[in-house]
Amino acid sequence: GNSVTQMEGPVTLSEEAFLTINCTYTATGYPSLFWYVQYPGEGLQLLLKATKADDKGSNKGFEATYRKETTSFHLEKGSVQVSDSAVYFCALRYSGGGADGLTFGKGTHLIIQP
Amino acid sequence: DTEVTQTPKHLVMGMTNKKSLKCEQHMGHRAMYWYKQKAKKPPELMFVYSYEKLSINESVPSRFSPECPNSSLLNLHLHALQPEDSALYLCASSHQKGLAVNTGELFFGEGSRLTVL
Repeated sequence: GNSVTQMEGPVTLSEEAFLTINCTYTATGYPSLFWYVQYPGEGLQLLLKATKADDKGSNKGFEATYRKETTSFHLEKGSVQVSDSAVYFCALRYSGGGADGLTFGKGTHLIIQP
Repeated sequence: DTEVTQTPKHLVMGMTNKKSLKCEQHMGHRAMYWYKQKAKKPPELMFVYSYEKLSINESVPSRFSPECPNSSLLNLHLHALQPEDSALYLCASSHQKGLAVNTGELFFGEGSRLTVL
C-alpha cells in the first residue's frame, strides 16, 4: 500500500537557520505529493505541492522537489522565522482508481526560537 | 471562495447525547471527506463521499453516521460516543481524481474540536 515516512520531531532551530524536513514515500504509480502545515488550534493548510517527477513546489520561502528516483519530497527553507513554528505533514494522493484521500506522514513539530 | 466551513468549532457532549457536525463548501468539489485527528497525530481518514454517495468507510464505528444531503454539505451525526472519541474532526473537499481541473490537493476546514464527557 501507500505510505509516507517523515522525520519526527520536535525539530528545534534558531531564527534564520536553514531548515530541511525529510520525507520519503512508497506508492504505486505516480502520486501527487504535498506538504501541509498545521498551526496550533487550526486546521491543515496546503503549503506546497508537486504533481509529477522533477516538479518543484514553492510557497512562502519553502521549497520541495518531487524526486522519483529517490522517492523523496524533502521540505527546505533557507531562513526560518518564529512564525514558521507549526506541525508539518508530508502527504501523497494516489492518482489511480479506488482508494482516495491523502496518506499522511506522522508529522514534524517545528519549533523556531528567537 | 476557497473555504471549507465547519460548525461548530467546539462541542462538548455527554455519552448519551446526539449531536451533529456540519461542513460546507462552495468550490464545486464533488469529493468530500471526514478525518479524525488526535493530539500530536496525523489525520486519519474516516469517510469519503463521491458525488454525494458514500464511497469509502474506513471501518468507522456506527456511532458515527455521515450524511451528504447535497453537493455542498457534509454532516457527521454523533450518537452514544465514548470519551476516546474526543478529537479534532476535520472536513475536506477536492475535485474528483481524473478530472482535468483536479490539481490534486484537498482543502481542509478549521475543524470541530469534540470533547466527550
